[in-house]
Amino acid sequence: QKEVEQDPGPLSVPEGAIVSLNCTYSNSAFQYFMWYRQYSRKGPELLMYTYSSGNKEDGRFTAQVDKSSKYISLFIRDSQPSDSATYLCAGGYQKVTFGTGTKLQVIP
Amino acid sequence: DSGVTQTPKHLITATGQRVTLRCSPRSGDLSVYWYQQSLDQGLQFLIQYYNGEERAKGNILERFSAQQFPDLHSELNLSSLELGDSALYFCASSVGSGGGQETQYFGPGTRLLVL
Repeated sequence: QKEVEQDPGPLSVPEGAIVSLNCTYSNSAFQYFMWYRQYSRKGPELLMYTYSSGNKEDGRFTAQVDKSSKYISLFIRDSQPSDSATYLCAGGYQKVTFGTGTKLQVIP
Repeated sequence: DSGVTQTPKHLITATGQRVTLRCSPRSGDLSVYWYQQSLDQGLQFLIQYYNGEERAKGNILERFSAQQFPDLHSELNLSSLELGDSALYFCASSVGSGGGQETQYFGPGTRLLVL
């Protein structure tokens, strides 16, 4: 079993939709949770960072962590074609472990 | 632009060969991480160096080795290459010694194709 599991998608949504991306993890030691965005043929870039359980909002993006159920979510409001990318969730304590990524396509 | 540079961008080679991938971290960053990304395995952590010393090891094969030099750039050496080594190789850097709380900044990657 992988430490961080993600549905690979692809997920296709119309422009303006609310997108929900989800991960589950198995390592109870994870304290830090991240979402990275990776455009095609580019390196991942940090999008959101949260510590422990709770919500964090940044513009159209909201990250949510529920440690009791080991569930990580990223919500994107008013999705734009420029949001089309692969989204990688990650958990960390001594090191960072990444999920395999969910490919998102926002259709104009 | 993350400030992390990687060369070369693309590499095509044959099975059994040896290649060297190079990474320069962001200015001021002391840690360098190497990752392998393939379609089925996702982003796999290989190894981390901090200020010239090996800090953490992941799923790195014995055929692979890395080092970090005094100027903090790093090289990943891949030898006796197999078809399955074809992947994207990313370097990332962070300010401190690592750990789950540090933000890692990724380079653009080197795309390796083994024929």
